[in-house]
Amino acid sequence: DAGVIQSPRHEVTEMGQEVTLRCKPISGHDYLFWYRQTMMRGLELLIYFNNNVPIDDSGMPEDRFSAKMPNASFSTLKIQPSEPRDSAVYFCASSPHPGGPGTDTQYFGPGTRLTVL
Amino acid sequence: AQSVTQLDSQVPVFEEAPVELRCNYSSSVSVYLFWYVQYPNQGLQLLLKYLSGSTLVESINGFEAEFNKSQTSFHLRKPSVHISDTAEYFCAVSVSNAGGTSYGKLTFGQGTILTVHP
Repeated sequence: DAGVIQSPRHEVTEMGQEVTLRCKPISGHDYLFWYRQTMMRGLELLIYFNNNVPIDDSGMPEDRFSAKMPNASFSTLKIQPSEPRDSAVYFCASSPHPGGPGTDTQYFGPGTRLTVL
Repeated sequence: AQSVTQLDSQVPVFEEAPVELRCNYSSSVSVYLFWYVQYPNQGLQLLLKYLSGSTLVESINGFEAEFNKSQTSFHLRKPSVHISDTAEYFCAVSVSNAGGTSYGKLTFGQGTILTVHP
């Protein structure tokens, strides 16, 4: 398996533009997580899905952020409009079901480095 | 709600020296504990995890961590580090309910940057 795939790897955009980050989880994994990593705030969980259904979005910073998982093999994180403070590395991770993700490993993608000018 | 505190933001050591990266957590319920490692420009990778059973867990590359419930700690140790161990290390906790079923979320500490000097 190729692991968790994220695209793009790097994104540079201007303030006010819409940004869409993409993630393909490992096949067969039931859980998908979106994280944001910054120097100031560390690693933050934004939202996670179980079987394509959002379970907890309490980490989504504000209404400018939205996430979807239309099927088991694809998820998007959208920021509209983007702001400079959104600059960060965004990670997607997936986890298999047995025992629940708290007992199983979360497999992280390589991340998308977003820069909003 | 649970939280994780990694007491050292940076740990510099010389090659072949021992190292300990400290992690304390707070939670009112049962927890599962994890250490992840992040090499530069990469995602996080699981290093080791404690779910139940023996309180001492080991990784394949020589790291070990001990779950200490009374001190709510899960410190990571290695008796002799290599240059290749230079990375950022994250401690994480997930919450399980009384039945042992996890709620699925990991709460991460702020990370400890381990730098191994020759």
